[in-house]
Amino acid sequence: EVELVQSGAEVKKPGESLKISCKGSGYSFTSYWIAWVRRVPGKGLEWMGLIYPGDSDTRYSPSFQGQVTISADKSIRTAYLQWGSLKASDTALYYCALPSGGYSTPFDYWGQGTLVTVSS
Amino acid sequence: EIVLTQSPATLSLSPGERATLSCRASQGVGSTYLAWYQQNPGQAPRLLIYGASSRATGIPDRFSGTGSGTDFTLTISRLEPEDFAVYYCQQYGTSPWTFGQGTKVEIK
Repeated sequence: EVELVQSGAEVKKPGESLKISCKGSGYSFTSYWIAWVRRVPGKGLEWMGLIYPGDSDTRYSPSFQGQVTISADKSIRTAYLQWGSLKASDTALYYCALPSGGYSTPFDYWGQGTLVTVSS
Repeated sequence: EIVLTQSPATLSLSPGERATLSCRASQGVGSTYLAWYQQNPGQAPRLLIYGASSRATGIPDRFSGTGSGTDFTLTISRLEPEDFAVYYCQQYGTSPWTFGQGTKVEIK
């Protein structure tokens, strides 16, 4: 059974760094892209980018390019989303998701979400 | 980027009624690349429809999707209590992939 398990909720101050994780199981981790999606209350869902853990090929939405870093460690079947300097506007619920059909396919598996709160 | 505009923002209906949700794209989307998701409070989104009209695994046949080009529709033929949720359309054919802002289906 395919499963994506994300790390727990985080409360951070503006300017702090953060790395959240998404561990995949039940499938060949290096053979499928993993995407990150943000949900901001009142703004719906936003696709941030995705990574192919097999060769670390990474694509970003222009809205998030330079704002976050997506990475993966295939030895522990885990993808990451990280910030170097958080802003209050990064407060959101973040999901990892798996398009099991390949690059241009819908997200049929989702993690449970990681709530990130940035507040002074 | 392709902007997806969903309407209405909120749909107030009773159980057993038919729901019709619209998703309009700012430019043409290949029908192969349009999906619908359902999100209930506290849960991750769930894939309902892909390729504009194909139901995902385990999705009841009261959910159906139609459309092509720039206009797409999700229809729920008879609303069940568990169908009251937020629905999003998504295009995944042209990067950046984009989502609509969502339609909330609420109990009238």
